[in-house]
Amino acid sequence: QQQVKQSPQSLIVQKGGISIINCAYENTAFDYFPWYQQFPGKGPALLIAIRPDVSEKKEGRFTISFNKSAKQFSLHIMDSQPGDSATYFCAASWTGNQFYFGTGTSLTVIP
Amino acid sequence: DTGVSQDPRHKITKRGQNVTFRCDPISEHNRLYWYRQTLGQGPEFLTYFQNEAQLEKSRLLSDRFSAERPKGSFSTLEIQRTEQGDSAMYLCASSPLTGGLQQYFGPGTRLTVT
Repeated sequence: QQQVKQSPQSLIVQKGGISIINCAYENTAFDYFPWYQQFPGKGPALLIAIRPDVSEKKEGRFTISFNKSAKQFSLHIMDSQPGDSATYFCAASWTGNQFYFGTGTSLTVIP
Repeated sequence: DTGVSQDPRHKITKRGQNVTFRCDPISEHNRLYWYRQTLGQGPEFLTYFQNEAQLEKSRLLSDRFSAERPKGSFSTLEIQRTEQGDSAMYLCASSPLTGGLQQYFGPGTRLTVT
């Protein structure tokens, strides 16, 4: 059973545009929702994370929107740049003892 | 560089052989995680250590997999009698016990079973 479902699988955005990636989860016990960026041949790196007590968190060009009632959260990348081209993963955890990752979104930003 | 390190970075082995990977977490990070990642998929949780105690282990993990963190510092992941389906990237991550759940990932060990 996929604990975290991520969409779309791939995304192509023009430079300067907004990239939006969505995730849905089932387990209401989850209390930590991070987003990771991964470049080929590298390990994932944390971009931004949110707790369910807030509906939005912004760090630079990256924003997480969180909808607790719908059990959904999304990553928005504003002013997308070619250097943002990577694979993005959402994840969820409770207690931090175990993390469940989405299947990833391959983002391509066209110059 | 004080990040998470993993050794080796690449390993090619024949089916049926045993392999062992090492992870050195960021100093003083109490939490250590092992993940497996196949092409086009997200990291799949394998096991979790808090200091030297193995607190979580995926039910998907077969008995051929074992992990240790004997002194609460570095960790090893051993796969016995490797199968072609074990071919994947094995990732290690660490995080502090307090101050948040931010995981720092290592570069991974790419395993190819022929």
